[in-house]
Amino acid sequence: GQQLNQSPQSMFIQEGEDVSMNCTSSSIFNTWLWYKQDPGEGPVLLIALYKAGELTSNGRLTAQFGITRKDSFLNISASIPSDVGIYFCAGVGNNDMRFGAGTRLTVKP
Amino acid sequence: NAGVTQTPKFQVLKTGQSMTLQCAQDMNHNSMYWYRQDPGMGLRLIYYSASEGTTDKGEVPNGYNVSRLNKREFSLRLESAAPSQTSVYFCASSWVNTEAFFGQGTRLTVV
Repeated sequence: GQQLNQSPQSMFIQEGEDVSMNCTSSSIFNTWLWYKQDPGEGPVLLIALYKAGELTSNGRLTAQFGITRKDSFLNISASIPSDVGIYFCAGVGNNDMRFGAGTRLTVKP
Repeated sequence: NAGVTQTPKFQVLKTGQSMTLQCAQDMNHNSMYWYRQDPGMGLRLIYYSASEGTTDKGEVPNGYNVSRLNKREFSLRLESAAPSQTSVYFCASSWVNTEAFFGQGTRLTVV
């Protein structure tokens, strides 16, 4: 079945630093999505990518849909304490949606 | 606008009991999904429904059944609960191949 490899598993950074995380897959996807999950809540969509090569920004967040359709990355610039949480990538293809294992981000003030 | 609503929010079951988790969306989405999330892990797809009247197995379907009752509702049933099914269950909905919106989750404990 489809499997997404998300890295890194966790990151400990200082406030103000930039963050980068990525997902790779052996399968191609039609859509790449990036979500953030806070404790006790459901995942909330950050960025959606629909075309290979697409680069999209949402405030301090930037994400790209890899040209091969098998990978995506998410960058967060100038991190702030409220960026703490778990970030998930998701690939959508053949009507189903699969998730990476998540990147747990800790931001030290 | 409620989005995706899951009930119940919390449930404790004894091993062998059955229960149904309910999910409803008011966004007129075609696709609906059920995931489970275990501590420190990502979301694993249990079942999904690409449209009303169709359901398909995901990564971890064993021990579960689903019903797409109509376009709005997608239920998940545990026929004989086991401790290994202790988890947080999330329902989500989307248009075809677009971003999905999630409910708040159902925290299930099987003792």
